[in-house]
Amino acid sequence: EAGVTQFPSHSVIEKGQTVTLRCDPISGHDNLYWYRRVMGKEIKFLLHFVKESKQDESGMPNNRFLAERTGGTYSTLKVQPAELEDSGVYFCASSQGDYRRQDTQYFGPGTRLTVL
Amino acid sequence: SQKIEQNSEALNIQEGKTATLTCNYTNYSPAYLQWYRQDPGRGPVFLLLIRENEKEKRKERLKVTFDTTLKQSLFHITASQPADSATYLCALDTGRRALTFGSGTRLQVQP
Repeated sequence: EAGVTQFPSHSVIEKGQTVTLRCDPISGHDNLYWYRRVMGKEIKFLLHFVKESKQDESGMPNNRFLAERTGGTYSTLKVQPAELEDSGVYFCASSQGDYRRQDTQYFGPGTRLTVL
Repeated sequence: SQKIEQNSEALNIQEGKTATLTCNYTNYSPAYLQWYRQDPGRGPVFLLLIRENEKEKRKERLKVTFDTTLKQSLFHITASQPADSATYLCALDTGRRALTFGSGTRLQVQP
């Protein structure tokens, strides 16, 4: 069974440009999460989808970040316009099961974003 | 403010010894506490989950304890091997499912 995949693995962009990150969760997983780790800091939650709906977006830093999950399958995270402080590693995770109970989150390898 | 602390940035031990990693938290009431392993360039990999009403959980050479009074979890790797060298992350879930991570402890097992 394929794990969580993310594309691209690395992205280097100029400040002010737009970048779109993609996450393909494990097939059949209704729950999809975005996290990020900025340099020297811990991994922080951004948002949680249940199927195509945003369940919790309390971690989104500002309105330059837009996450979508069309059809409840893959998800995209767009940063527009990118700022220097957006540099870091963006992780996607997915999990199966009822959103009301805890289950294991499986993480992708991450996308390393560098904003110059 | 809410805070999670893992005892040290790095821990070096000899092969065959038991590694003990600490996770302390303040101002949380976690429903679950989880431990993950992360290797360089990879995403976190789930190891163990312990619930607030559980004191201890084991899986092969791994053991996790959870003391909600002390607000502390201990993560033990017995009979450690060089292949256990990695960064270990503690993560809390207050029931919202969004995980809150500690900064991690980098374990190095010397042969």
